[in-house]
Amino acid sequence: AQSVTQLDSQVPVFEEAPVELRCNYSSSVSVYLFWYVQYPNQGLQLLLKYLSGSTLVKGINGFEAEFNKSQTSFHLRKPSVHISDTAEYFCAVSAFYNQGGKLIFGQGTELSVKP
Amino acid sequence: DAGVIQSPRHEVTEMGQEVTLRCKPISGHDYLFWYRQTMMRGLELLIYFNNNVPIDDSGMPEDRFSAKMPNASFSTLKIQPSEPRDSAVYFCASSGGWNNSPLHFGNGTRLTVT
Repeated sequence: AQSVTQLDSQVPVFEEAPVELRCNYSSSVSVYLFWYVQYPNQGLQLLLKYLSGSTLVKGINGFEAEFNKSQTSFHLRKPSVHISDTAEYFCAVSAFYNQGGKLIFGQGTELSVKP
Repeated sequence: DAGVIQSPRHEVTEMGQEVTLRCKPISGHDYLFWYRQTMMRGLELLIYFNNNVPIDDSGMPEDRFSAKMPNASFSTLKIQPSEPRDSAVYFCASSGGWNNSPLHFGNGTRLTVT
């Protein structure tokens, strides 16, 4: 079975500051990793995904994440945040053998960007 | 592409009543997922379908919950009878069926059971 731990439930940060949202996963098999964003009263949208290859993955809205197999981590980063980045961010894992993309989600990290 | 469409957006009902949530996946997607989101438990996978067939319903909390997918363009999640602890946001998502195919989520149905 797979599990995901997001280490921070809330991250307050000032506009234009860098941010890192932390994610660790546990799995006995190879996995695919994802970050999703949820804006208020909306569904989740894919930010980026790691399937294979380069461990540094770039996504939409200037976000990137780095897969670290030895530390079983997939932390999300952005060098300079905007007010509009205020949202909840979810890390998710899918076992490589899962057809259809069945995902296990972390508990979410609420990013609050202040002016 | 209209995306995944869920209805209603909000549902308020009294304990004991039957509730039906509806979902229309993206055309051509052959996987459909129902998730429940609460503050306490986060996002939980309830059930998912492949080509209209339920594959894994181990996340369905109890017999009061049932889900159907009569055709490729429609699915329902029913709660009968509803209880206050069922209050949550229920999301439907669909995908194209490969591991690198992302889930596309609807905007959810916020259910309040009083």
